Amino acid sequence: QVHLVQSGAEVKKPGSSVKVSCKASGGSFNSYIMSWVRQAPRQGLEWMGGIIPIFDSPNYARKFQGRITITADESTSTAYMELSSLISEDTAVYYCAREYSSSSSRFDDWGQGTLLTVSS
Amino acid sequence: QSVLTQPPSASGTPGQRVTISCSGSNSNIGSKTVNWYQQLPGTAPKLLIYSNNRRPSGVPDRFSGSKSGTSASLAISGLQSEDEADYYCAAWDDSLNGPVFGGGTKLTVL
Repeated sequence: QVHLVQSGAEVKKPGSSVKVSCKASGGSFNSYIMSWVRQAPRQGLEWMGGIIPIFDSPNYARKFQGRITITADESTSTAYMELSSLISEDTAVYYCAREYSSSSSRFDDWGQGTLLTVSS
Repeated sequence: QSVLTQPPSASGTPGQRVTISCSGSNSNIGSKTVNWYQQLPGTAPKLLIYSNNRRPSGVPDRFSGSKSGTSASLAISGLQSEDEADYYCAAWDDSLNGPVFGGGTKLTVL
């Protein structure tokens, strides 16, 4: 099993950016498919995008394209998700998750979540 | 509006069997496998069922999944109070080129 530990809660102003980290331990980080899924208050799960570190080619949900950047640092086994031009509707818990295989939607391991609050 | 459709709520008494449905289309459930997640209050989702009907190690056999055409179902037998949680279905969507989730079903154990 892979253990995923995310960075702490953030409070940001509208129009700013946030960068959330997700450090993995156990297994081979390079071959993971690391995804980001968010959950707005009292809402469902929403996939934002993912990356395979060894290929360094992210795949983003259309909704977030132009506003999201997902990267991975193999040297520290850490994935990052940066979201820009924040609005109040971006207030949510952001999870990193390891996808079992490409195009599977099977997320075997999840981080603990990072609460982002966007407020002026 | 979620791509996959689930009932917002379900309920049952201890020991009962409940089912939760998940409806999609040919671009997701109709051509891909379905996974189910359980989210206990205040925690991250947990993989409950994968590949339509497989259980990860540690998941009780009270939980089972099935798929037919563009729909899938999660069944929970011998309902227990600790099963009270939100349940989400998920599948890859070829049109959107990414995974899609249902809106979630809140299960209440009466």
